[in-house]
Amino acid sequence: GAGVSQTPSNKVTEKGKYVELRCDPISGHTALYWYRQSLGQGPEFLIYFQGTGAADDSGLPNDRFFAVRPEGSVSTLKIQRTERGDSAVYLCASGASTDTQYFGPGTRLTVL
Amino acid sequence: QQQVKQSPQSLIVQKGGISIINCAYENTAFDYFPWYQQFPGKGPALLIAIRPDVSEKKEGRFTISFNKSAKQFSLHIMDSQPGDSATYFCAARDTGNQFYFGTGTSLTVIP
Repeated sequence: GAGVSQTPSNKVTEKGKYVELRCDPISGHTALYWYRQSLGQGPEFLIYFQGTGAADDSGLPNDRFFAVRPEGSVSTLKIQRTERGDSAVYLCASGASTDTQYFGPGTRLTVL
Repeated sequence: QQQVKQSPQSLIVQKGGISIINCAYENTAFDYFPWYQQFPGKGPALLIAIRPDVSEKKEGRFTISFNKSAKQFSLHIMDSQPGDSATYFCAARDTGNQFYFGTGTSLTVIP
């Protein structure tokens, strides 16, 4: 079956612009995570959804970052007023429980 | 502050050898410890995981050793193969279902 998909695979934007990153989880998975991975580092937790609600958003770095999952399936990570420091690979993972997370290939965001 | 400390940063092993990667943590509330394998351009993939009430778990060539009193756990890859060359991450989950990842170990297996 299909795995977790993320679009776009690459996004280049200019400083100050708004971006949206999309995650399509595996069908039926209620748990969904967003992570940020910088070069040479491990994934850094951003937010965790259980169903439609954000169970834990303590990893979002500031109020420029926001994520939604309105119908408990697809999720969108939104970044306002992008900064060069936001450049990273943004990973999405889903699971039927939090024990087993299936990661997508990520979206590489470059802020010029 | 790094919640999970991983070493070494890089590792080179001969084909057929044993690869050992170590992780340490401080938070005794962590309740689940997975290991992930990541190839370039791909997302991490779950390899094997352990809970703190077990001291060892083996799946094929991969074994996790867990020392609760020392707050350390390690991944052993037996009979390492060139196809095992990848970056490996340890992780730990807290009671709020938040995961903390180590900084990764780049493994190279030489034929």
